[in-house]
Amino acid sequence: DQQVKQNSPSLSVQEGRISILNCDYTNSMFDYFLWYKKYPAEGPTFLISISSIKDKNEDGRFTVFLNKSAKHLSLHIVPSQPGDSAVYFCAAGGGSNYKLTFGKGTLLTVNP
Amino acid sequence: NAGVTQTPKFRILKIGQSMTLQCTQDMNHNYMYWYRQDPGMGLKLIYYSVGAGITDKGEVPNGYNVSRSTTEDFPLRLELAAPSQTSVYFCASSYSLGVYEQYFGPGTRLTVT
Repeated sequence: DQQVKQNSPSLSVQEGRISILNCDYTNSMFDYFLWYKKYPAEGPTFLISISSIKDKNEDGRFTVFLNKSAKHLSLHIVPSQPGDSAVYFCAAGGGSNYKLTFGKGTLLTVNP
Repeated sequence: NAGVTQTPKFRILKIGQSMTLQCTQDMNHNYMYWYRQDPGMGLKLIYYSVGAGITDKGEVPNGYNVSRSTTEDFPLRLELAAPSQTSVYFCASSYSLGVYEQYFGPGTRLTVT
């Protein structure tokens, strides 16, 4: 049973436009959400996070939105750059332990 | 400050062989984790440790063992390798309880044939 779902395996956008990556979760115990970026042959790197007490967190070109009632979060990248081309993983954590549950990832391609 | 390092980068094993994947972090993090990533899939937690001498199973622990004798090192042992263990293995660490952000190593690509 997938508790964190990224339903789009891939996304292609033009340089300078907005990239929107989506993530849905099913476990109501999740109260912290993260996005990781992964280039080929490298480990995932932490990008941005949001706590369930917020509905938006911004860091430069990256903004994460959280809709708790819909159990949905999204990552907005504006403007998109070719260097943003990577696999993006959504992850969620919560409860008395601090383990993370990951989605399957979305491959973002930003075309020059 | 090297962060999380993993060795080897690549390895091919024959069915039934054993090996140890090494993981070291120099950030003085208490928590360490082992994940595997299969093609087209997310990361699945194998084992984790909340400090030296303390380990616990994750989602997919069968066929693996871990130990944590120091804060810095968290080796993953594969006994009797099977083709189903062909995967990319990532080690990660985080500072402490209450901190979700994990820092990952570069991964070990393992093929069992």
